Amino acid sequence: DAGVIQSPRHEVTEMGQEVTLRCKPISGHDYLFWYRQTMMRGLELLIYFNNNVPIDDSGMPEDRFSAKMPNASFSTLKIQPSEPRDSAVYFCASSSRDSNTGELFFGEGSRLTVL
Amino acid sequence: QQQVKQSPQSLIVQKGGISIINCAYENTAFDYFPWYQQFPGKGPALLIAIRPDVSEKKEGRFTISFNKSAKQFSLHIMDSQPGDSATYFCAASISWGGATNKLIFGTGTLLAVQP
Repeated sequence: DAGVIQSPRHEVTEMGQEVTLRCKPISGHDYLFWYRQTMMRGLELLIYFNNNVPIDDSGMPEDRFSAKMPNASFSTLKIQPSEPRDSAVYFCASSSRDSNTGELFFGEGSRLTVL
Repeated sequence: QQQVKQSPQSLIVQKGGISIINCAYENTAFDYFPWYQQFPGKGPALLIAIRPDVSEKKEGRFTISFNKSAKQFSLHIMDSQPGDSATYFCAASISWGGATNKLIFGTGTLLAVQP
């Protein structure tokens, strides 16, 4: 398996612009997570889905952030409008409820810089 | 109550030495405690995990010690090697494989092993 695939790997944009981050989870995994990583706050859970349905979005910082999972093989995280404080590395991860290790498989992340 | 507190923020160890990273939690409902390892430019990857029915788990040079009464757990890296230099995250969740599968991460420890 190719693992969790995220795109773009790097994004530089200007304040006010819309940003869309994309994720393809591992085939067969029924959970998908979006995390944000910063030096100050570490890894923060933004939202997670089970079988394409959002389960907990309490970590989404504000209404400027939205996430969708239209099917089992694709998810997006959108920021509109973007602000400099959104600069971070955004990780997508997937897992299977059938896993006896509870392992999350992370993608390589999307590094976002908002100028 | 959902926080996992991790220390130290950074750690420098000589090759062959023991690296120790500590974590503490408040929520007694947590029942799954993994450690993730992250190399620069990569996503975190599962290193080792423990459930509260045991006090210690060892895999090679990596050991988790768990103290349920103190609500603390720690990662010990024996005979630390330069290749162990990475960021380490502790995490906790409730009922992995059950209803939530929601992992809460600590803020991370940057480990540097000097040759």
